[in-house]
Amino acid sequence: AQSVTQPDIHITVSEGASLELRCNYSYGATPYLFWYVQSPGQGLQLLLKYFSGDTLVQGIKGFEAEFKRSQSSFNLRKPSVHWSDAAEYFCAVGATPFNAGKSTFGDGTTLTVKP
Amino acid sequence: EAQVTQNPRYLITVTGKKLTVTCSQNMNHEYMSWYRQDPGLGLRQIYYSMNVEVTDKGDVPEGYKVSRKEKRNFPLILESPSPNQTSLYFCASSSIIQGATEAFFGQGTRLTVV
Repeated sequence: AQSVTQPDIHITVSEGASLELRCNYSYGATPYLFWYVQSPGQGLQLLLKYFSGDTLVQGIKGFEAEFKRSQSSFNLRKPSVHWSDAAEYFCAVGATPFNAGKSTFGDGTTLTVKP
Repeated sequence: EAQVTQNPRYLITVTGKKLTVTCSQNMNHEYMSWYRQDPGLGLRQIYYSMNVEVTDKGDVPEGYKVSRKEKRNFPLILESPSPNQTSLYFCASSSIIQGATEAFFGQGTRLTVV
């Protein structure tokens, strides 16, 4: 069965500092991977996605993620965090015809940004 | 504007009183899904639909029903709600004909069952 693990429940970083949010997945083949962000009281917004090809993918708001097959990881990074990045972040294995439509989300990582 | 619309946004109901949360998308997506979000548990998939008249159980389907009679609509039905179904619910849609694309999420429905 597919699964997604986000080991860090809560991360606090200072504004301007770099950020890395971890995501590990379990899947039988190359997964379709996503990172979403949820601001308080809002729905989820796509940050970036990986399907195939270049393992370093760029997303919105200055975020990037690197797919590492050998480590089953898809960590999210940002070089310099802004106060507006405070939110909850979710890593997900996406639904496809190849996994019969099942999608799986991690439990989320809450990011707090200190001034 | 591409969007997924859920109604209502907020709902307080009593145990056992049947309710329906509607979800509609205007992007002609084949795939639609319902999730519930609870603190510390992320998003858990309740039911999903690969296309019209095709639905399947997700990870937490107990106590819920769905139907997909039209491509754009995917209502979530709670026949006899219980307090443990108090949660934040999200509907999402995506196109998966050629693999997976991003899911578009509704704004959420906060349900309280007393």
